[in-house]
Amino acid sequence: EVQLVESGGGLIQPGGSLRLSCAASGFIVGNNYMSWVRQAPGKGLEWVSVIYSGGSTYYADSVKGRFTISRDNSKNTLYLQMNSLRVEETAVYYCARGLWDGMDVWGQGTTVTVSS
Amino acid sequence: SYELTQSPSVSVSPGQTARITCSADALPKQYAYWYQQKPGQAPVVVIYKDSERPSGIPERFSGSSSGTTVTLTISGVQAEDEADYYCQTVHTSGTYVLFGGGTKLTVL
Repeated sequence: EVQLVESGGGLIQPGGSLRLSCAASGFIVGNNYMSWVRQAPGKGLEWVSVIYSGGSTYYADSVKGRFTISRDNSKNTLYLQMNSLRVEETAVYYCARGLWDGMDVWGQGTTVTVSS
Repeated sequence: SYELTQSPSVSVSPGQTARITCSADALPKQYAYWYQQKPGQAPVVVIYKDSERPSGIPERFSGSSSGTTVTLTISGVQAEDEADYYCQTVHTSGTYVLFGGGTKLTVL
């Protein structure tokens, strides 16, 4: 079964760091475009970052320089390292597969709460 | 900056046709994608590349494009279609992804 399972969310103080993981099954992360998308409480979807199958990475302006997307092909897992977190980045963070044919597989999301 | 604009809400009665639009700004439009999101659930793609329907998505969902506006049409709306719908595109540079603000579809 094709599946994505996020983990690593939690409560973190402003300015803190957190690393999210997204474990894939049923397909190879390294052969796909993989994105992180977040959704603040009661708000819409916001794209965060993408890693291309070739390894290129891109970020939303709001997180550039603070977040890093990466993958471990041996673990078939996608990551999002988040540094200098801000209160307004409290959200459910989703990982998703795909890009040019749409994001066709999504995880269930992991909740990040940035609060003092 | 490049933006996708959606109307905040659409209301229709069961059996009617719902049309949800998404407008890009003056920059050339790339393919559009549509996602359905129900409360507490992850989004699901219902249309990709403007008008393609993934397997498992009911035929009542269709997409079209005209100029810099794309439209998601749901024919014969059912109560289960009540959800938030988001359009999405990839910038021509391939370096960033945009989502529209979302449209809440209410089935009366």
